[in-house]
Amino acid sequence: AQSVTQPDIHITVSEGASLELRCNYSYGATPYLFWYVQSPGQGLQLLLKYFSGDTLVQGIKGFEAEFKRSQSSFNLRKPSVHWSDAAEYFCAVRGSGGYQKVTFGTGTKLQVIP
Amino acid sequence: DAGVIQSPRHEVTEMGQEVTLRCKPISGHDYLFWYRQTMMRGLELLIYFNNNVPIDDSGMPEDRFSAKMPNASFSTLKIQPSEPRDSAVYFCASSPEGRGNYTFGSGTRLTVV
Repeated sequence: AQSVTQPDIHITVSEGASLELRCNYSYGATPYLFWYVQSPGQGLQLLLKYFSGDTLVQGIKGFEAEFKRSQSSFNLRKPSVHWSDAAEYFCAVRGSGGYQKVTFGTGTKLQVIP
Repeated sequence: DAGVIQSPRHEVTEMGQEVTLRCKPISGHDYLFWYRQTMMRGLELLIYFNNNVPIDDSGMPEDRFSAKMPNASFSTLKIQPSEPRDSAVYFCASSPEGRGNYTFGSGTRLTVV
């Protein structure tokens, strides 16, 4: 069965600083990978996805993520964080064959300080 | 597009009462998912539909939970009778292809007292 780990429960960064959120997955083959963001009181919004091809994926709001098969990782990055990026971020993994459930990580809560 | 629309946004009910949560997916999306989010268990998939047909309901916690999708533009999740441990945020999500790229609704926060 697939699994996903987000080792950081909470991260604090200064506005304008760079950001990297970590995500490690476990799956026997090449998975589908996702990052979602959830603002308080809202549903999850898809930031970016990886299905195949280029391992560096660009998403909305200036985010990007890189799929590294050798490290089983799909870390999320942003070069300069804005106060509006404060939210909870979820990494998710799904097997690539047929129907398979999407497994969500436990989330990383991002705090942005002025 | 208005996105995925859920109602009500908040529901407070007494233990033993029936609760019905509603969802309108994005037009043209063939897949609809119901998730539950709690602090303790995170996001849990309850059930999903493809072309209005329930495909996998293995996540439905018990027989008190039921879900229907009578047409492509409407789905309900019913809990009868409700219990305090059902308190959670319930999300509906839809997808054009079911690969994991979902559009979520804003959720229904259910409190059972």
